[in-house]
Amino acid sequence: AQSVTQLDSQVPVFEEAPVELRCNYSSSVSVYLFWYVQYPNQGLQLLLKYLSGSTLVKGINGFEAEFNKSQTSFHLRKPSVHISDTAEYFCAVSDLNDYKLSFGAGTTVTVRA
Amino acid sequence: EPEVTQTPSHQVTQMGQEVILRCVPISNHLYFYWYRQILGQKVEFLVSFYNNEISEKSEIFDDQFSVERPDGSNFTLKIRSTKLEDSAMYFCASEGQGLNDEQYFGPGTRLTVT
Repeated sequence: AQSVTQLDSQVPVFEEAPVELRCNYSSSVSVYLFWYVQYPNQGLQLLLKYLSGSTLVKGINGFEAEFNKSQTSFHLRKPSVHISDTAEYFCAVSDLNDYKLSFGAGTTVTVRA
Repeated sequence: EPEVTQTPSHQVTQMGQEVILRCVPISNHLYFYWYRQILGQKVEFLVSFYNNEISEKSEIFDDQFSVERPDGSNFTLKIRSTKLEDSAMYFCASEGQGLNDEQYFGPGTRLTVT
């Protein structure tokens, strides 16, 4: 079984500042890793995913994440946020043989002008 | 761009009533899922469905829950006798069969049990 810990429940940030959302996972097997975003009153949208290969993954809307196997982390970053990035962000993991997603508790990002 | 749709967007029901939540997955997808998110909590896996049968279910998915793909396009979640604690946002997701495919989520149905 896998589990995901998102270390920050709320992250306030000013517009054009960088942001990092932390995600750690635990699993006894190799995993796939995902970041989803949920805008107010909408469903979950995939930002990016790590399946294999390069540990630095680039996603939509200028986001990127780095897979660190030794630290079992998959932190999400954006160098300069916009007001429109205000949303809830979920880190998720699935193992290679079982496609169900296990989600973290989510991080609410609030971008202020 | 193809998308997963869900109806209704909001369902209010009385405790003990049956509800059916409907989803239309992306047309060529083969794997289907239901998740739920109780207010203020994390998104939780309920059930996965492939080849017209349940492939995995969580502890939450007890005998009160069932899923069906009645006509090859819809994918439904039925709760036979709703409880207050079933109040949550229910998300449907579908996935293709490619190695790099991902789960595409619908906008959710907010179920309120009174």
